[in-house]
Amino acid sequence: DTEVTQTPKHLVMGMTNKKSLKCEQHMGHRAMYWYKQKAKKPPELMFVYSYEKLSINESVPSRFSPECPNSSLLNLHLHALQPEDSALYLCASSQEGGRETQYFGPGTRLLVL
Amino acid sequence: GDSVTQMEGPVTLSEEAFLTINCTYTATGYPSLFWYVQYPGEGLQLLLKATKADDKGSNKGFEATYRKETTSFHLEKGSVQVSDSAVYFCALSDLGGKLIFGQGTELSVKP
Repeated sequence: DTEVTQTPKHLVMGMTNKKSLKCEQHMGHRAMYWYKQKAKKPPELMFVYSYEKLSINESVPSRFSPECPNSSLLNLHLHALQPEDSALYLCASSQEGGRETQYFGPGTRLLVL
Repeated sequence: GDSVTQMEGPVTLSEEAFLTINCTYTATGYPSLFWYVQYPGEGLQLLLKATKADDKGSNKGFEATYRKETTSFHLEKGSVQVSDSAVYFCALSDLGGKLIFGQGTELSVKP
């Protein structure tokens, strides 16, 4: 089974709201990723967690706050977002964070009003 | 730094036509290479991969061969179907685990 699940599927939020995106995998993977994807563009890496520790932060604004409560779960907390943050947010996981395959979830489509 | 270049789209083909999507890469080490497919409104699905030179990845009739001498990983399919309409991303993964994507190629297959 190579399934990564993400909730919610769609999210609409105002610029003053606080919301969270959730990602889960049960493949025993120890690396998890957040990507942001704009329409017709490739995904852009935001954060990488390796063994539940943040290993890469691609200079993402502080209004995005990742959290990895355990090896199966990854959250992305959102606060005071801007309309330009509207995008598809993809979660992925891989065995250990090296050159192995990353498996992606279906994404959360976020609209910021 | 590492990079991936894909042929620009959109590509429009008739059903049963032959498909080639070109992908070349620049890397300092020995990356793994991937093709991902994204159907409308969905996330990315791994289509195929290759981890070393001369490896051939294949899945669902699609094939790509890791060519170190030409730094290429072109995607091919002998006979496309309407259901193959999607965006295709070529990507490489370096030792640090970062996925470097090409710009994506949108494929539209007409009946």
